[in-house]
Amino acid sequence: QVQLQESGPGLVRPSQTLSLTCTVSGDSISSGTCYWSWIRQPAGMGLEWIGRIYTSGSTNYNPSLKSRVTISVDTSKNQFSLKLSSVTAADTAVYYCARVYGGRNDYWGQGTLVTVSS
Amino acid sequence: EIVLTQSPGTLSLSPGERATLSCRASQSVSSSYLAWYQQKPGQAPRLLIYGASSRATGIPDRFSGSGSGTDFTLTISRLEPEDFAVYYCQQHGSSPPEYTFGQGTKLEIK
Repeated sequence: QVQLQESGPGLVRPSQTLSLTCTVSGDSISSGTCYWSWIRQPAGMGLEWIGRIYTSGSTNYNPSLKSRVTISVDTSKNQFSLKLSSVTAADTAVYYCARVYGGRNDYWGQGTLVTVSS
Repeated sequence: EIVLTQSPGTLSLSPGERATLSCRASQSVSSSYLAWYQQKPGQAPRLLIYGASSRATGIPDRFSGSGSGTDFTLTISRLEPEDFAVYYCQQHGSSPPEYTFGQGTKLEIK
């Protein structure tokens, strides 16, 4: 059974960098069969794709966030990470990591709430 | 960027009724890359349908997907109490790679 778990600070100060890690179990990021993505959801709103990464480290980002986003992978730990710089209150959201197989997000983490506030 | 528009925004129905949810794309989408998700309060989205019409593992057969091009539909044949939730469609474009979601349809108990 594939499981994903997000971890990281729940509170980030404005203008700082949001950092989250997703730990994968039940599948190997190194297998190369999937992409791994980050998706976020502000309270009461819809889903927004942030970006994805492949085992090789190749990335693709949402153009609206591209200038502030970095996604990286650590295959030795079976983890991938998200960094979002220069955050504002508009970046307050539940952040999900997910496995992407065949264009669909088939396994999701439970999500972690990140609040941007001073 | 392809925009997905879901309708209606809210659908009020009773258990046992049939639900029909629509997802319209601003330009043609590959059916292979059209998916539907269900999200309940406080939970992560759950994959229901992929490839426009294939049910994900463990999804009851009362859920079905159809459509092609710019118009896609999720149908729930007979609503169960646990089906009341928010539903999202999602497409995957390959050039450039992107994933976009519709704004969601809330299915509520009438």
